[in-house]
Amino acid sequence: EIVMTQSPATLSMSPGERATLSCRASQSVGSNLAWYQHKPGQAPRLLIHGAFTRATGIPARFSGSGSGIEFTLTISSLQSEDFAVYYCQQYNNWPPWTFGQGTKVDIK
Amino acid sequence: EEQLVQSGGGLVQPGGSLRLSCAASGFTLSLYRMNWVRQAPQKGLELVASISSNGVDIYYSDSVKGRFTISRDNGDNSLFLQVTSLRGEDTAMYYCARGGGYGSAWGQGTLVTVSS
Repeated sequence: EIVMTQSPATLSMSPGERATLSCRASQSVGSNLAWYQHKPGQAPRLLIHGAFTRATGIPARFSGSGSGIEFTLTISSLQSEDFAVYYCQQYNNWPPWTFGQGTKVDIK
Repeated sequence: EEQLVQSGGGLVQPGGSLRLSCAASGFTLSLYRMNWVRQAPQKGLELVASISSNGVDIYYSDSVKGRFTISRDNGDNSLFLQVTSLRGEDTAMYYCARGGGYGSAWGQGTLVTVSS
C-alpha cells in the first residue's frame, strides 16, 4: 500500500498570503494524485485531480503541481473561506485510495 | 444538481449493527464506482469499502473485512453499507463518495458512534 505523507501538519497563515502544501508518496504515483478541502461538518470537496487539473467550479487561486512522488498544492491568495484541512490522495494503485494525514490551514 | 444524500447512522452498542444509505440524485449512480470513506475522531480519511458500477468488484479494508458489507441498488440510485459486529474503533463519520480513482462527489456524512 502506498503511504502518503503531508507537510506541514499545520500552516498558520493570514488572509491574502500564499500557502504552499506538500504531499509525498512512498513510491511513484505518476500524476494520479487528488487534493481535497475538508471543513468541519461538511463533505470533503474535490479541488484537484490528475495532480494539476482543477475540478469543476474550483477557483483559479488553487493550483496543483508535481508528479512521481512529490506534489504541491498552492493557494495563491488565501481567502477567509479557504481555512480548512487539505488532504492529498493517490489513485495510481487502487483500491484502496490512500490519503495523507492532512494539513490544517488556520488563521494566524 | 448532483447530490449524494446519506441516512442511517447513530449510537449503537459494541457488537451491534447498522445500515447506512446513500441516495444519489442529479446523476445516474449505475455509471460510477462508489465508495465508503470514514473519518474517526481526530484522524484522517480511510477508504473502508468500494464497489464497481455493476456490483461485481468489491474491496474492503482489512479493518472491516468480514464485518461490513457494501451493496448497491442501481435501479433505486442507492448505495448501502451494512455494518455489523461494531467496535469502538468503528466510531467515525462515514461518507459515501463517487468515483473510481478519486472522489468527485461526496455525501454529507453520517455519524456512527459505538459505545455502551
